[in-house]
Amino acid sequence: DGGITQSPKYLFRKEGQNVTLSCEQNLNHDAMYWYRQDPGQGLRLIYYSQIVNDFQKGDIAEGYSVSREKKESFPLTVTSAQKNPTAFYLCASSIGASGPHPGDTQYFGPGTRLTVL
Amino acid sequence: RKEVEQDPGPFNVPEGATVAFNCTYSNSASQSFFWYRQDCRKEPKLLMSVYSSGNEDGRFTAQLNRASQYISLLIRDSKLSDSATYLCVVNPFSGGYNKLIFGAGTRLAVHP
Repeated sequence: DGGITQSPKYLFRKEGQNVTLSCEQNLNHDAMYWYRQDPGQGLRLIYYSQIVNDFQKGDIAEGYSVSREKKESFPLTVTSAQKNPTAFYLCASSIGASGPHPGDTQYFGPGTRLTVL
Repeated sequence: RKEVEQDPGPFNVPEGATVAFNCTYSNSASQSFFWYRQDCRKEPKLLMSVYSSGNEDGRFTAQLNRASQYISLLIRDSKLSDSATYLCVVNPFSGGYNKLIFGAGTRLAVHP
């Protein structure tokens, strides 16, 4: 089955720790995205990547880092610099970021729920 | 003004009812539009894409009004399983990149 997987499903972080969230897709999509969702709010873009070895900051990149060494993988590291990391983190992918229809339709993984202890 | 605005609801409707949600967007250059469904504590799932004036899929109809900059979602013959949050999503396609803008969602609760 093709799809997007994220792990772990739940993650607990102590103050001052860095943690890495995994995102893998086997849809052969070029573009991948990381979002954060807080209760009652829309999804906010953290980072996105259009192709391997390239990524750009989204709207709330401070305190986060990413890498895109393989087409299938786009891990997100939440660093100790992120002041309020407790949230639901969603990874998504799309065919390509070069234009609308159908390249912009995004498909989501099941998410990782991060809690700071 | 938010880039994408939705009435948060909740919309409480009985089974079998017809319910409509509206969504307004601020960027008149936006090129594509989506409705996603999100169940509690789950990921958003694509319900419908809207690239022209509208789209219909079974009980669901989406309409786009570019002049007034709003998108609507109509659900006919509501089922209990339609209870979820519906996200309006817009692609302003700014800077040549596909960066979707998500509304905060409209909650729907269908009761027996």
